[in-house]
Amino acid sequence: DGGITQSPKYLFRKEGQNVTLSCEQNLNHDAMYWYRQDPGQGLRLIYYSQIVNDFQKGDIAEGYSVSREKKESFPLTVTSAQKNPTAFYLCASTLASGNEQFFGPGTRLTVL
Amino acid sequence: GENVEQHPSTLSVQEGDSAVIKCTYSDSASNYFPWYKQELGKGPQLIIDIRSNVGEKKDQRIAVTLNKTAKHFSLHITETQPEDSAVYFCAASFPPYGGSQGNLIFGKGTKLSVKP
Repeated sequence: DGGITQSPKYLFRKEGQNVTLSCEQNLNHDAMYWYRQDPGQGLRLIYYSQIVNDFQKGDIAEGYSVSREKKESFPLTVTSAQKNPTAFYLCASTLASGNEQFFGPGTRLTVL
Repeated sequence: GENVEQHPSTLSVQEGDSAVIKCTYSDSASNYFPWYKQELGKGPQLIIDIRSNVGEKKDQRIAVTLNKTAKHFSLHITETQPEDSAVYFCAASFPPYGGSQGNLIFGKGTKLSVKP
């Protein structure tokens, strides 16, 4: 089955630690996105990538980093510089020529 | 910059009634307007979308209308059922050409509760 997978589903981190969230897609989509979702808020764009080896900052990129070494994979690292990292993180992908974004199931990150 | 306002933030209806959620957008260059349904603890799922060259689109009990002049679009759910209970997000996109990357800007969501 084609789709987007995110792992882990739940992640706990101690303050001062970096953590990496996984996002993989087998839809052959060119573009991939990372969003952050907080209670009562919409989805806010962290980073996006239109093509392998290229990515751009979204609206709230500070404290996060990404890489796009393969078309299928777009991991997100939450660094210790992110002051309030507890949130629900969503990965999405789309064909470069279209606008329909398909979302993964999300990762809930909690800082202890 | 691009902004999407969504109302109401919460909506409670009786089973069988209709539900309407409204969104406004700020940039007339937006040309794609999807609606997503998000169940608790899951990722959003696309339920219907509309492009700027169409005024209305229907899919069974769900319909979306677009008024480009007023820059607003609405989601209509008829004959609501308890399984329609979820958070619904609207979004607007810039075109994929020109200076924009075709990213989506999301509203803050509407929590719909359908009471049996």
